[in-house]
Amino acid sequence: DAMVIQNPRYQVTQFGKPVTLSCSQTLNHNVMYWYQQKSSQAPKLLFHYYDKDFNNEADTPDNFQSRRPNTSFCFLDIRSPGLGDAAMYLCATSRVQPRNEKLFFGSGTQLSVL
Amino acid sequence: DQQVKQNSPSLSVQEGRISILNCDYTNSMFDYFLWYKKYPAEGPTFLISISSIKDKNEDGRFTVFLNKSAKHLSLHIVPSQPGDSAVYFCAASVRDNFNKFYFGSGTKLNVKP
Repeated sequence: DAMVIQNPRYQVTQFGKPVTLSCSQTLNHNVMYWYQQKSSQAPKLLFHYYDKDFNNEADTPDNFQSRRPNTSFCFLDIRSPGLGDAAMYLCATSRVQPRNEKLFFGSGTQLSVL
Repeated sequence: DQQVKQNSPSLSVQEGRISILNCDYTNSMFDYFLWYKKYPAEGPTFLISISSIKDKNEDGRFTVFLNKSAKHLSLHIVPSQPGDSAVYFCAASVRDNFNKFYFGSGTKLNVKP
């Protein structure tokens, strides 16, 4: 089945130690997103790629970076995780045409920062 | 600034009865609305959507109503089933900014057997 896959499901890192979360998709969608969701809060868009074009949200900290080496893969890099970065990170994809109808989400990566 | 708001963090309903989940928005430019359902340890899954040219969309037990003048939408689940117990997110987008979806904070629905 076509899907969005996130690895790992759970990630523990130490304060200040760089960490990378990965996302892959078999849907061949041209847009890939990274959302951060903290408990009982709305998912917050960090950035998205439209093909190779990177679109950063204005309030996304510089500590968060992303890479999309090809259509199928997208990575979220947190350069120096702080305690406040502990959250669920959701990857999503969408196709744009004929209209961006909906997002397809992965199962998420729960990040803990010790 | 939260443009999409779900003011009820939780809702408890008896099996077989109607569940009504509410969502309010502030941006009058929003023209497309979606509901997502999320089980613990899983990503959100798409449930139902509605365009601003409609005021109602129905899919089986799920119906979404849109009141543009009040900037309000609701999701009705009839009849509610225990398997519907999950967190429900409302989301909205603007046609001219089609890559961005704005989410509410979710309502946790508990359907009691």
